[in-house]
Amino acid sequence: NAGVTQTPKFQVLKTGQSMTLQCAQDMNHEYMSWYRQDPGMGLRLIHYSVGAGITDQGEVPNGYNVSRSTTEDFPLRLLSAAPSQTSVYFCASKQFSGNTIYFGEGSWLTVV
Amino acid sequence: SQELEQSPQSLIVQEGKNLTINCTSSKTLYGLYWYKQKYGEGLIFLMMLQKGGEEKSHEKITAKLDEKKQQSSLHITASQPSHAGIYLCGADMIGGSNYKLTFGKGTLLTVNP
Repeated sequence: NAGVTQTPKFQVLKTGQSMTLQCAQDMNHEYMSWYRQDPGMGLRLIHYSVGAGITDQGEVPNGYNVSRSTTEDFPLRLLSAAPSQTSVYFCASKQFSGNTIYFGEGSWLTVV
Repeated sequence: SQELEQSPQSLIVQEGKNLTINCTSSKTLYGLYWYKQKYGEGLIFLMMLQKGGEEKSHEKITAKLDEKKQQSSLHITASQPSHAGIYLCGADMIGGSNYKLTFGKGTLLTVNP
């Protein structure tokens, strides 16, 4: 079982560059979300989606865009990377009627 | 201020000892998740609690949610080196969503052989 798959695992960007972090789940989950994890801050919610075509902002959405064209995929876009976006990014998914939130293995992003 | 406080921030125990990690909120916890994270890896789901007074166990790990639903504890009995890692609590503090979580800062557990 693939579960929640994130790519890439590691990425180094220059300030101002753009990139997309990919997230895919094969469990037909309705809910998907993106978190970032920073030292001393815990995980913070960036954006989330309750289904295809529906997205909303979380606690720290600035500098990030998302879209949900299919149930399986929930990409996170950085339009103009900044050093403050250096972090570990986690994608998560959950079935509407379930109680378990599944996380991907994380994407390490460094912006120089 | 942090809405979800975890304590202690770090813990070093000798193998075989018991330990407890706490997760405390000033708001009602509508759902409380415990995860374990190894450095450089993703989050491994341990348990989820919803009802006041609820208690769940998995192998040597027991988690409880108090009656007021504002505090949860994670207890490890007879700790082993395999228990080492970062333990995170995540909470649904909105109610009805159960997918938008607020996380504590984590507890780093070291188990010495």
